[in-house]
Amino acid sequence: GQQLNQSPQSMFIQEGEDVSMNCTSSSIFNTWLWYKQDPGEGPVLLIALYKAGELTSNGRLTAQFGITRKDSFLNISASIPSDVGIYFCAGQDRSGYALNFGKGTSLLVTP
Amino acid sequence: ETGVTQTPRHLVMGMTNKKSLKCEQHLGHNAMYWYKQSAKKPLELMFVYNFKEQTENNSVPSRFSPECPNSSHLFLHLHTLQPEDSALYLCASSKGRFTEAFFGQGTRLTVV
Repeated sequence: GQQLNQSPQSMFIQEGEDVSMNCTSSSIFNTWLWYKQDPGEGPVLLIALYKAGELTSNGRLTAQFGITRKDSFLNISASIPSDVGIYFCAGQDRSGYALNFGKGTSLLVTP
Repeated sequence: ETGVTQTPRHLVMGMTNKKSLKCEQHLGHNAMYWYKQSAKKPLELMFVYNFKEQTENNSVPSRFSPECPNSSHLFLHLHTLQPEDSALYLCASSKGRFTEAFFGQGTRLTVV
């Protein structure tokens, strides 16, 4: 699979702060997806992006598909304790099936 | 509520055992996937099935044998595994190409 570079690796923030994380790739992707995974559970889809330049929101979450199709970012506004978890970016290549995942960003939120 | 159900949630098996993981999706999707999640490594694609036909095998060792009898069910048959095969095995499904994938809760496999 293709290597995705996800950063930061971890974040430790206070409740109410905004959070930003991003993913970059050396290859072009046709789709970018963002997932959240809680311990012992499977990844849950947060946002899906299908067009270069697309900016999409889901509640307090906002994600963008980079113009070059090689990057994406996820922002979380006004973080709350239940935002704790590991966030993964995933790029879908031209096969249209396989997802290439980043290593994840571990988010900790203190009250 | 999850549309993708995996059983069992936890499995401990010896290296000489044969076991199977089961996945069922209730979303009406046509494509199903097996992914492996090991500690400190990104999720890795293992197999892709579309309309019951295997479309991708990501160089997975033959001790892992997938089976897709229909678009709603996917199995992963395991035999003579190694301790390094211990991981979280995740099933996912999607409508088809260039659509989002939804994951099950995973099976935590420990090989002893």
